[in-house]
Amino acid sequence: GAVVSQHPSWVICKSGTSVKIECRSLDFQATTMFWYRQFPKQSLMLMATSNEGSKATYEQGVEKDKFLINHASLTLSTLTVTSAHPEDSSFYICSARGAGGRDTQYFGPGTRLTVL
Amino acid sequence: KNEVEQSPQNLTAQEGEFITINCSYSVGISALHWLQQHPGGGIVSLFMLSSGKKKHGRLIATINIQEKHSSLHITASHPRDSAVYICAVYPNFGNEKLTFGTGTRLTIIP
Repeated sequence: GAVVSQHPSWVICKSGTSVKIECRSLDFQATTMFWYRQFPKQSLMLMATSNEGSKATYEQGVEKDKFLINHASLTLSTLTVTSAHPEDSSFYICSARGAGGRDTQYFGPGTRLTVL
Repeated sequence: KNEVEQSPQNLTAQEGEFITINCSYSVGISALHWLQQHPGGGIVSLFMLSSGKKKHGRLIATINIQEKHSSLHITASHPRDSAVYICAVYPNFGNEKLTFGTGTRLTIIP
């Protein structure tokens, strides 16, 4: 199946700093990418949907100024957690999908963020 | 009540056993994903199906659209199958976002 990578796989940062997470589709063009957050033993929570070349659509309750999403190309989307705080510590997962609206989503391996 | 319910929530079985995980949903859907999440966190898409049955190796997924129900079966289970299995659906009501079940934690004992 298609491959989606994320970088970094884990990151530890100090409170107040910003962290950028990259999501890449390695062997297909991802028209749409999704960013999820997952707390321990809970299901995935969709944060935002990002389409190449346009602004991301954020889910209710997700601060767009806090979680900046850029989808500059068909193979790369980035999530920047700005002024991170300990409550932002979580597992962040991206997924990517091709041009069909109901195509299979391919998930990245996730990034574990710990804010001290 | 969640739109997507899975059962059981937790399942422990001996190596070699036949495993069934169930998913019921309350909305009309266009397709359903079965996903596997290993302890490290990465998620693998096992199947996407909208009707009938799909098979890949020891894994079989079935769906009954009329009954709003899907099952994931694992034959000859192995400890490496230990993971969380998640059912996710594409609802019919226009958006293209997945709605996730809460997952089934499977542990296969050698």
